[in-house]
Amino acid sequence: QGQLVQSGAEVKKPGASVKVSCKGSGFPFTGYYIHWVRQAPGQGLEWMGWIRNENGNTKYAETFQGRLTLTSDTSTSTVYMELSGLRSDDTALYFCTRTSYCGPTTCRGNWFNPWGQGTLVSVST
Amino acid sequence: DIQLTQSPSFLSASIGDRVTITCRASQDITNDLAWFQQKPGQAPTFLMYLAYSFDSGVPSRFSGSGSGTEFTLTISSLQPEDFATYYCHQINSYPLTFGGGTKVDMK
Repeated sequence: QGQLVQSGAEVKKPGASVKVSCKGSGFPFTGYYIHWVRQAPGQGLEWMGWIRNENGNTKYAETFQGRLTLTSDTSTSTVYMELSGLRSDDTALYFCTRTSYCGPTTCRGNWFNPWGQGTLVSVST
Repeated sequence: DIQLTQSPSFLSASIGDRVTITCRASQDITNDLAWFQQKPGQAPTFLMYLAYSFDSGVPSRFSGSGSGTEFTLTISSLQPEDFATYYCHQINSYPLTFGGGTKVDMK
């Protein structure tokens, strides 16, 4: 079913940007959508958005519009998540995960599997 | 946005117990719901998606049911490796959302 491996932990100051990578292996990378989900310490899961690897199309949650940029490098099977204007409440574990398809209004018929191991992003002065 | 409300938030149980977790959606999501298990310090792992009869290698003691706005995850006989937090997740419409989680710990 494949594997997703993420880059290491990051420590950033408020107002800075962070860029986290997610490298896929063991599956046809361009045939899938990569999603990002974050989890604040001791909290639940929050979906951020997805990128379609085949053509770079993206869908972002409104919460992150204007701050989130997802890009895909098919030559290295790697997706990048860049979050700008970091605040202390952006401190979280960031996960990438995968679906086979998502449409303009729904991802019905698809599910998140597998997941990357997570990348801790800490935002602090 | 579709809100998912899980109950209970915490559950204490013993090995061999039957455990039931409920997930209620704020609007009809047909059967576009998945369940995940998460252990401390780990990524979530996919358990099941209710739209399909899906053989994912998940132990048969796990089962899911429901449609519309009310869903349940049942563990028929709790095993030591099942102590974890469980999340429901809707993929019916954007933004995709998750329930708040149900932590199952040892009584």
